[in-house]
Amino acid sequence: IQLTQSPSSLSASVGDRVTITCRASQGIGSVLAWYQQKPGKPPKILIYDASKLESGVPSRFSGSGSGTDFTLTISSLQPEDFATYYCQKFNSFPLTFGGGTKVEIK
Amino acid sequence: EVQLVESGGGLVQPGRSLRLSCVASGFTFDDFAMHWVRQAPGKGLEWVSGISWNNDGIGYAESVRGRFTISRDNAKNALYLQMDSLRADDTALYYCAKEGQWMVSLDHWGQGTLVTVSS
Repeated sequence: IQLTQSPSSLSASVGDRVTITCRASQGIGSVLAWYQQKPGKPPKILIYDASKLESGVPSRFSGSGSGTDFTLTISSLQPEDFATYYCQKFNSFPLTFGGGTKVEIK
Repeated sequence: EVQLVESGGGLVQPGRSLRLSCVASGFTFDDFAMHWVRQAPGKGLEWVSGISWNNDGIGYAESVRGRFTISRDNAKNALYLQMDSLRADDTALYYCAKEGQWMVSLDHWGQGTLVTVSS
């Protein structure tokens, strides 16, 4: 099963609403996670089980979807949110990642 | 506080072997599945391998199957990755990661250990 993220990169301004899409080549239920990675740092979990917010993650992050189509939404982009975002499936091995979406400052 | 500390990376020639280690602390190690994830320079994340808490569930990426072996020692709170027949495209930062309690995410990550495969 492949995970395709779109877009691969985007430019946005502070305060913008940002949506990132992850599409699975086959249905995976809701077992999808989203991560944020900043340069030189390991990834950080944001969302698990497609829509559940990890403890300590700001509520401006939200996830939705099931089956093959998933979205990560940042309701109001903050300066610290400029990073690369990855989805990952958890239904069965291999636990594939999407190709990533780099969010840059406009 | 959960801590995952990887070691064992370095420069190795193509075709040779390397063994990575990850020592865990701050949680009950034998309650959780563990994983290795790698990231080639300037590239995205690639899941490499995972192992259940009791070793009865093990998986590998197609790119490493037959060359890499994951294992764990719950008595030592340690995770390992034996890497054989290394190739240039195995060059990457290798992260150790803990699976979350609901088994649908990797909720803690180490800082990584760098493996460079080059002659």
